[in-house]
Amino acid sequence: DIQLTQSPSFLSASLGDRVTITCRPSQGISSYLAWYQQKPGRAPNLLIFAASTLQSGVPSRFSGSGSGTEFTLTITSLQPEDFATYYCQQHNSYPFTFGQGTRLEIK
Amino acid sequence: EVQLVESGGGLVQPGGSLRLSCAAAGFTFSDHYMDWVRQAPGKGLEWVGRIRDKAHSYTTEYAASVRGRFSISRDDSRTSVYLQMNSLKREDAAVYYCTRVRDSSWYGSYSDYWGLGTLVTVSS
Repeated sequence: DIQLTQSPSFLSASLGDRVTITCRPSQGISSYLAWYQQKPGRAPNLLIFAASTLQSGVPSRFSGSGSGTEFTLTITSLQPEDFATYYCQQHNSYPFTFGQGTRLEIK
Repeated sequence: EVQLVESGGGLVQPGGSLRLSCAAAGFTFSDHYMDWVRQAPGKGLEWVGRIRDKAHSYTTEYAASVRGRFSISRDDSRTSVYLQMNSLKREDAAVYYCTRVRDSSWYGSYSDYWGLGTLVTVSS
């Protein structure tokens, strides 16, 4: 199975900050990576697919990059609604594993 | 508007069985693969399995942790997907989400819409 390691696991930031979350697969996955946002008590919400394609309706302050074995999710100018947990998921090969999550909190 | 509504969760004893349902609306259900993903209390997300569409013979894939115990099926006439869970273990306790899969030869195959989830508790 492909293991996904997210870093950091916990991130504290202020409104207006720029933050970056990294996801490293244990083997190359081309660009088959998605990013999800999850708020407490809610279902995950797709932000980005194919590593860098923004899902319709997602604000442009979210962006993704990378391929192979290193990917990043960047959020510019943090807004109050962005404080949540973020997960990466590879959809290159079964089983479609998730990273352990990055919890983003207000400083 | 895409809607996915899970049902069937509840309390079950270890070793017992439960069948979850997911009713879909707002899109052409028969054209899409469907996934199940679960989340244990306070934990991260775990992909459970997938069922493909009729064009791909309704074939399935499963995580190793559930293979042989869980089974995914679908009824396109009812726009529903099901998760039959047998021989349940305490570690199967989780919120179970069904998701719609967007499958593209260019972008790959990923979950673009999620239901609200249904809670399964495994306890004696």
